[in-house]
This record gives sequence, structure tokens and C-alpha cells, in this order.
Amino acid sequence: AQSVTQPDIHITVSEGASLELRCNYSYGATPYLFWYVQSPGQGLQLLLKYFSGDTLVQGIKGFEAEFKRSQSSFNLRKPSVHWSDAAEYFCAVGGGGGSYIPTFGRGTSLIVHP
Amino acid sequence: EADIYQTPRYLVIGTGKKITLECSQTMGHDKMYWYQQDPGMELHLIHYSYGVNSTEKGDLSSESTVSRIRTEHFPLTLESARPSHTSQYLCASSAWTGNYGYTFGSGTRLTVV
Repeated sequence: AQSVTQPDIHITVSEGASLELRCNYSYGATPYLFWYVQSPGQGLQLLLKYFSGDTLVQGIKGFEAEFKRSQSSFNLRKPSVHWSDAAEYFCAVGGGGGSYIPTFGRGTSLIVHP
Repeated sequence: EADIYQTPRYLVIGTGKKITLECSQTMGHDKMYWYQQDPGMELHLIHYSYGVNSTEKGDLSSESTVSRIRTEHFPLTLESARPSHTSQYLCASSAWTGNYGYTFGSGTRLTVV
């Protein structure tokens, strides 16, 4: 079965600094990979997804992620963080076995200092 | 605008009460899902549906039930609420499988006292 690990529970950055959130996955075949963002009191919003092709994926709100098969990673990056990026970020790996239901990580909480 | 709606947003209810959490979507998606979310934990799938009259239990054992009589509507019912049911419940839908990405509702935060 697939699994996702987000090693960092909390990440603190200063506004304007660059950001990288880590995600490692376990899956037997070429994975479907996702990053979602959850603002306080809201549901999750899809930031970006990877299915195949170019390993550098562009998403909404200026985020990008890079799929590295050799490292089983799909890290999320942003060159310059804004205070409004403070939220919970979830990585997910797509499922197989007929149900095709993704498995989510535990999330990383991003704190942005002014 | 196509969207997915959950009501109520917040609910405080006494032990033993029956409750129904509502979820409706206007996108015509066949697939719908209910997740339970607790702080610092993975999202846990509790129920899903691939279309009208189709419902399945997810990975997390749950005392809730669901129904799917109309494509756009996927309510979740707790027959007898307990404090252990206190959590956030998220509804989601997808056009194809979940591997193409979900659209989530804003969630219902349930507190059972």
C-alpha cells in the first residue's frame, strides 16, 4: 500500500524568504502526487499535481514541486513567501488497487514571520 | 460557480443525539468522499461513493452511515453521537478518480459534549 511522510510538523520562515516543504512517498509504480493547502477553518485546496511528464510542476499561488523518483520525493517550493501563505500543507500520493483513492500525509504547518 | 457545500460549519451537540452532516456539490461529480480530520493526523477516509446508490466504507472504522440518492448530495449520519466523534469532517468530490485531484468543502467541526 502507498504511504506519505512529511518529516516537518512545523516550518517557520520570514516573509520574503524562500520555502521548501518536504514530502517522501512509498508507492510501487509511477505515482500520482499532489500538494494541497488548508487555510484556518477551511477545507483543502489543490495546489498542484503530478501524473507524468515534466518532473517540475507549476501550481497556483506561485508554488512549484519537483518529482524525484530516485529520492521518492515530491518537495514543494516557493521562491518568496507571503504572510497569506501561512497554512497547513498536505502531500498526497495517489492510490491503486482499483479504488484509486489518495493517501494523505500528516501535514506541515507553515508559520510566516513578518 | 461550481462548488461543494457543507452544512453546518460548526455543531455542538449532546451525547446520544442523532445528527446529519450535509454535503452538496454543483459540479456533477460522480465520486464523493467523507474524511475525518484531527490535528496533526492524516486525513482518514470514512466513506465514499462512486455514484447514485453506491456507497463504500473507508479505511477508518466509523459508526456513521451515508446515503447517495442524488448525484449532488452525500449526507453523513451519526445515529447516536459520542464524545469520541468530536472531530472535523471534510466532504470532497472528484470528476474521475481521486487520483485526478479532489475538490473539498469547508468542513463541519463537530463537538459532542
